[in-house]
Amino acid sequence: RKEVEQDPGPFNVPEGATVAFNCTYSNSASQSFFWYRQDCRKEPKLLMSVYSSGNEDGRFTAQLNRASQYISLLIRDSKLSDSATYLCVVIAYGQNFVFGPGTRLSVLP
Amino acid sequence: DVKVTQSSRYLVKRTGEKVFLECVQDMDHENMFWYRQDPGLGLRLIYFSYDVKMKEKGDIPEGYSVSREKKERFSLILESASTNQTSMYLCASSFTAGGGGTEAFFGQGTRLTVV
Repeated sequence: RKEVEQDPGPFNVPEGATVAFNCTYSNSASQSFFWYRQDCRKEPKLLMSVYSSGNEDGRFTAQLNRASQYISLLIRDSKLSDSATYLCVVIAYGQNFVFGPGTRLSVLP
Repeated sequence: DVKVTQSSRYLVKRTGEKVFLECVQDMDHENMFWYRQDPGLGLRLIYFSYDVKMKEKGDIPEGYSVSREKKERFSLILESASTNQTSMYLCASSFTAGGGGTEAFFGQGTRLTVV
């Protein structure tokens, strides 16, 4: 089993739609969680950290469920500019960043 | 803003050549990483370093070595380039090895083609 797994893509959604991505991780000692965004042929960039209580940044909401070892990202009112690959990243204490394979999102006009 | 700079965006090298990929960060980060990214395989860790002159193997170190003589610079070396090392190479840096949870900052990537 891979350490971090994500929904297979691609997700093709119309503008204005709400879309949710899921991510599961296998290491119960994981402590820090992030969502990164990667545009085509560009480097990954931090989208948001994921906190235990859940957090929101504008149209983006991240949730963490430690018991189920599950992270989610919700994007509301999708924009064309949201089209990208979304990477789930997990860190266990004293370990390195473990990246999920990514989920590709295409927002269609 | 944190800046991680890789020396080249695109490189074309011949099989058997020794290749150097350079990465410099300007935020005094202790930790630096080299990844390669291939379609369908995601980001895979090649080597990382927690301090000057320290290095640790990642998941796929075979065919690669690294050098960290100064805190801000982390070099990836392909000892004898092969066609299966054609890939996007990404350098990253962070404040901690991950235990403290600070995020990784990436360079713009080097797309290496070995012919």
